Amino acid sequence: AQSVTQPDIHITVSEGASLELRCNYSYGATPYLFWYVQSPGQGLQLLLKYFSGDTLVQGIKGFEAEFKRSQSSFNLRKPSVHWSDAAEYFCAVGPFTGGGNKLTFGTGTQLKVEL
Amino acid sequence: SQTIHQWPATLVQPVGSPLSLECTVEGTSNPNLYWYRQAAGRGLQLLFYSVGIGQISSEVPQNLSASRPQDRQFILSSKKLLLSDSGFYLCAWSVRTQGAGQPQHFGDGTRLSIL
Repeated sequence: AQSVTQPDIHITVSEGASLELRCNYSYGATPYLFWYVQSPGQGLQLLLKYFSGDTLVQGIKGFEAEFKRSQSSFNLRKPSVHWSDAAEYFCAVGPFTGGGNKLTFGTGTQLKVEL
Repeated sequence: SQTIHQWPATLVQPVGSPLSLECTVEGTSNPNLYWYRQAAGRGLQLLFYSVGIGQISSEVPQNLSASRPQDRQFILSSKKLLLSDSGFYLCAWSVRTQGAGQPQHFGDGTRLSIL
């Protein structure tokens, strides 16, 4: 069965500092990988997705993520964090074939940005 | 463009009362539809998904049920709410294709409090 681990429950960074949020997955085939962001009381917004090809994926709001098959990781990065990036971030993995296109989500990383 | 609507945004209900949460999608046809519950620190739990009208798959045994009376309408219901039904409920949709790997797109959620 597929699974996703986000080892950091909370992360605090200073505004302007770089950010890396970790995501490790377990899946028997080539996964489809996603990062979502959730502001308090809101739904989830898709930041970026990886299906195949270039292992460095660019997303919205200046985020990028790198797929590393050897490490089963899909870490999210941003070179310079803005105060508005404070939110909860979820990594998700999808199935290789049909089945209702279900996704498995990690438990999330809460990002706090210090001014 | 596609949009997803959930209502109500907030709901306070007494134990033992019925529940009906509604979700509709605009700007797309034949979507996959999903209901999730989100508890603090526990990520997203998939409750139900649907690949077509009247087709509902339940992921976890519980006090809730789902229905899809129209192509772009998804309803979450309960006959008698329990205290444990409290939480943040999210509806999502994805493109239905033969392959997999489509991202899911989320509504703004309903905060349900049971008294």
